[in-house]
Amino acid sequence: EAGVAQSPRYKIIEKRQSVAFWCNPISGHATLYWYQQILGQGPKLLIQFQNNGVVDDSQLPKDRFSAERLKGVDSTLKIQPAKLEDSAVYLCASSSLGATRDNEQFFGPGTRLTVL
Amino acid sequence: GQNIDQPTEMTATEGAIVQINCTYQTSGFNGLFWYQQHAGEAPTFLSYNVLDGLEEKGRFSSFLSRSKGYSYLLLKELQMKDSASYLCAVRDRGYIPTFGRGTSLIVHP
Repeated sequence: EAGVAQSPRYKIIEKRQSVAFWCNPISGHATLYWYQQILGQGPKLLIQFQNNGVVDDSQLPKDRFSAERLKGVDSTLKIQPAKLEDSAVYLCASSSLGATRDNEQFFGPGTRLTVL
Repeated sequence: GQNIDQPTEMTATEGAIVQINCTYQTSGFNGLFWYQQHAGEAPTFLSYNVLDGLEEKGRFSSFLSRSKGYSYLLLKELQMKDSASYLCAVRDRGYIPTFGRGTSLIVHP
């Protein structure tokens, strides 16, 4: 089974520029998550989708961050404009539908963003 | 909101046993997860607890006490490759996950 795919793996931009990240979850996984992980910290949930609907985006800085999951499959996360403090690894994860015991999250390799 | 607390760093000797604690306060509870994350890599799933008690899986075990808001991850027969960050994550009543800051475990010979 193919894992969660993310691109690009690395991105360097200057502050005030825009950037977009792409994620393709595991086939059949209805729930998709975007996390921001700053060095030395745990992943912080930015947005959670179930199919193409938003379950939670309470920690998404909506003045600069946006995310969409058209057709309930792959997703994009955009930052516009970027700030220095956005430098982090952006992780995408997916899980199967439902609150079953084995509803673990499978993570992609992440995109390491550096804002100069 | 959610509050998850775990030690920042622990060290242990190869072959030994180490226990990593996690305490939490959440709005409802729908399960606690432990993930392992090696430096520069994505987290990988280790264990899941939703009922009180101990879940054993090979060298790793995880314990949960819902009344105390407490869990621990027990690693036995430590190997050098176990050096990593261990993340505790709790799902609230809305099945929204929150991760702790992670415990960096250093295993030395």
